[in-house]
Amino acid sequence: NAGVMQNPRHLVRRRGQEARLRCSPMKGHSHVYWYRQLPEEGLKFMVYLQKENIIDESGMPKERFSAEFPKEGPSILRIQQVVRGDSAAYFCASSSQGLDQPQHFGDGTRLSIL
Amino acid sequence: GQSLEQPSEVTAVEGAIVQINCTYQTSGFYGLSWYQQHDGGAPTFLSYNGLDGLEETGRFSSFLSRSDSYGYLLLQELQMKDSASYFCAVGPNNAGNMLTFGGGTRLMVKP
Repeated sequence: NAGVMQNPRHLVRRRGQEARLRCSPMKGHSHVYWYRQLPEEGLKFMVYLQKENIIDESGMPKERFSAEFPKEGPSILRIQQVVRGDSAAYFCASSSQGLDQPQHFGDGTRLSIL
Repeated sequence: GQSLEQPSEVTAVEGAIVQINCTYQTSGFYGLSWYQQHDGGAPTFLSYNGLDGLEETGRFSSFLSRSDSYGYLLLQELQMKDSASYFCAVGPNNAGNMLTFGGGTRLMVKP
């Protein structure tokens, strides 16, 4: 009965490279959310997806960031041409259908940009 | 827009009771959630208030007053392992299913 699985746990990239973060939701969950957390701060919403659909991406930077949740496989958060400011912890959460269903978080991916 | 205010730090001793307050301003409101996060760890869901009143789960209780745009998390019989950051979050809302988090309260429990 696995929870939300994220990988990798730690990712190091050089400026200009691409970062791919993966998230497999809890079994039975069809809603996936990505959040970013800077040190000593709260989590900031980035994007909300259901299978094959982006429902809300109002928190995503307009450039270099993209997300998908394909019919098969995990959700992917992709950051192109990374910059130092992208260094953060990226958390994925999932929930079942229903507005009052709690979101359960993965352990996050700590992205460090050299 | 939405914003939440909570104290940045609280210190208490083992066995004590501590209350962490959260006030919010939102355009549309559905419920108030609380999450615990240990350093380097994942946020863990603690409680959800969709209606006014008190919700109790073991040593933790959460309260909501929608008319006052205010809620709190009450931790009783504090243990050292309760040292962590606690976040209140509002959502989902009319805009969608995302959560908007406060800046977090770092709780330090001393022996």
